[in-house]
Amino acid sequence: GDSVTQMEGPVTLSEEAFLTINCTYTATGYPSLFWYVQYPGEGLQLLLKATKADDKGSNKGFEATYRKETTSFHLEKGSVQVSDSAVYFCALRFYGGATNKLIFGTGTLLAVQP
Amino acid sequence: KAGVTQTPRYLIKTRGQQVTLSCSPISGHRSVSWYQQTPGQGLQFLFEYFSETQRNKGNFPGRFSGRQFSNSRSEMNVSTLELGDSALYLCASSPRPDRVQGYTFGSGTRLTVV
Repeated sequence: GDSVTQMEGPVTLSEEAFLTINCTYTATGYPSLFWYVQYPGEGLQLLLKATKADDKGSNKGFEATYRKETTSFHLEKGSVQVSDSAVYFCALRFYGGATNKLIFGTGTLLAVQP
Repeated sequence: KAGVTQTPRYLIKTRGQQVTLSCSPISGHRSVSWYQQTPGQGLQFLFEYFSETQRNKGNFPGRFSGRQFSNSRSEMNVSTLELGDSALYLCASSPRPDRVQGYTFGSGTRLTVV
């Protein structure tokens, strides 16, 4: 079935370090891809999305590119801040039909130290 | 504009009881979905409603049910609670289920079954 695999956490970085969180997916077809972020005690917030191959989603300094050839959607940020500490979820979704739901990865905890 | 509102935020119930959780979507949003988040299973899709009709259901037992009202507000019900039902229940809304965009999530209801 369709699935999302994320790198295991926690990822611990110093402030201003470069961030990469790997995400790969398995899907029969071409889903839309998302990154969500969850801060402690809160729900999920949409961080960025991409709907087709080679699309680049970006928001708040975070970027991810939809790579069909490697079935990947890695999250990157050039310089992390302490306020970026949270759990990050990669997800895919097909639109229409019986599979119209978000399928999430297991989440990656990011801890940024000052 | 107000976000997705879930009530209550926290709930403690005893095994065997039943519980009802409420979700008010963003004004104008007609699609509501529910997800269960646990440390062991991660984020799992429960069901999706659009225009008072259940469009999609995840792999949960029949003890989990839901409904949507004409004003798009949704409720989910869990009967005969088990310890394993302890989780964060997240509700998400979007204008339509086929709109290619991310959901907007609420802050969730934290259910503890004792």
